[in-house]
Amino acid sequence: SAVISQKPSRDICQRGTSLTIQCQVDSQVTMMFWYRQQPGQSLTLIATANQGSEATYESGFVIDKFPISRPNLTFSTLTVSNMSPEDSSIYLCSVATTGTTSYEQYFGPGTRLTVT
Amino acid sequence: QKEVEQDPGPLSVPEGAIVSLNCTYSNSAFQYFMWYRQYSRKGPELLMYTYSSGNKEDGRFTAQVDKSSKYISLFIRDSQPSDSATYLCAMKAGGSYIPTFGRGTSLIVHP
Repeated sequence: SAVISQKPSRDICQRGTSLTIQCQVDSQVTMMFWYRQQPGQSLTLIATANQGSEATYESGFVIDKFPISRPNLTFSTLTVSNMSPEDSSIYLCSVATTGTTSYEQYFGPGTRLTVT
Repeated sequence: QKEVEQDPGPLSVPEGAIVSLNCTYSNSAFQYFMWYRQYSRKGPELLMYTYSSGNKEDGRFTAQVDKSSKYISLFIRDSQPSDSATYLCAMKAGGSYIPTFGRGTSLIVHP
């Protein structure tokens, strides 16, 4: 298993500002992801954070709005830029390990963002 | 039609009941099936995963996959108030490392 921590755990931000969320894992992992979870909704993948290269974004998410850094195999950041109230959500960092017949994905505790 | 369908509930049961949580899916390429438990204000926690069809048991929890019907289940025996949480199913194809998640079912176990 992997232990994941996120900072901050929650924040209230003003419209037009940016927030950077940090994700730290207790072991080196290849696959690291950022998700968004809106109230009553399932998890929506924002992007895959690739170490040493640009993140891979899912449809509907762009680098200018959600820049991601992955400087090493245990750390990543997600920035929510030029925020609007529609960005209010829980943002989750996740890592995955995979084998021939196994797949285990773990999540951090989440960052609860409110934009006013 | 969504790739993964899951009734959001809430499902309310008395303590000690057997709980059945279910998901249906449409993508026959899915081979890995996971269940997550998410407590309020916490991140999802991996509960069980199954590769291909069959059953898997872990304590009070049993995961069941029926690929012919494209239907997966999670059974919780002797349910406890501490089992009150949202349960999300997730599944993925063998060639992908990105799972598809259900919406989650809210479970309430009352004493």
